[in-house]
Amino acid sequence: QVTLRESGPALVKPTQTLTLTCSFSGFSLNTSGMCVSWIRQPPGKAPEWLALIDWDGSRYYTTSLRTRLTISKDTSKNQVVLTMTNMGPVDTGTYYCARISRTATGTATFQHWGQGTLVTVSS
Amino acid sequence: DVQMTQSPSTLSASVGDRVTITCRASQSIKIWLAWYQQKPGKAPKLLVYKASSLETGVPSRFSGSGSGTEFTLTIDSLQPDDFATYYCQQYDSYLYTFGQGTKVEIK
Repeated sequence: QVTLRESGPALVKPTQTLTLTCSFSGFSLNTSGMCVSWIRQPPGKAPEWLALIDWDGSRYYTTSLRTRLTISKDTSKNQVVLTMTNMGPVDTGTYYCARISRTATGTATFQHWGQGTLVTVSS
Repeated sequence: DVQMTQSPSTLSASVGDRVTITCRASQSIKIWLAWYQQKPGKAPKLLVYKASSLETGVPSRFSGSGSGTEFTLTIDSLQPDDFATYYCQQYDSYLYTFGQGTKVEIK
């Protein structure tokens, strides 16, 4: 059974750096075809994809936030970490991690999601 | 980046109605299109992937079609549990993008 869970601060001050951790079970990021992404959703708006890390360590970022994002993995702990620098009020929203399976039987898109963690940026 | 445009933004319907939501891509994404259902306070749930493949456990009243730049999600005989917001999402490239959403409301 695949599960993912996000953790991190609920409140961040403007200009601070946000660090979120996605802890997962039911699969290994050492397995070919497995990927974990971060997606955020401002209140009342559509989801926005942020970043992805592949089983081989390849990293991909959304164009508009590329300079502020870093995604990394710790396969021994089954965790993926996202950092976002220079946080501002517009970054307020629910942050999700999700798994993608690019195997022959996988869906190749966001099939399994965590429950999300709400991050508010305010002084 | 590929832009995804959904229509309508809001849809009022009754239980038993047939509902169709459209999603257009700014360039061809072949069949790399997914549909999600989201209810308040919950994560999006995958309904359809590769434009027309139904995710395991999703009721057969949901169906997806299309290719290239135009796609549709159809719900046959709308049920009370189907009132939610629906999003399309393209994954033709690693720069994944979502549509702005369609809220299906009770008429």
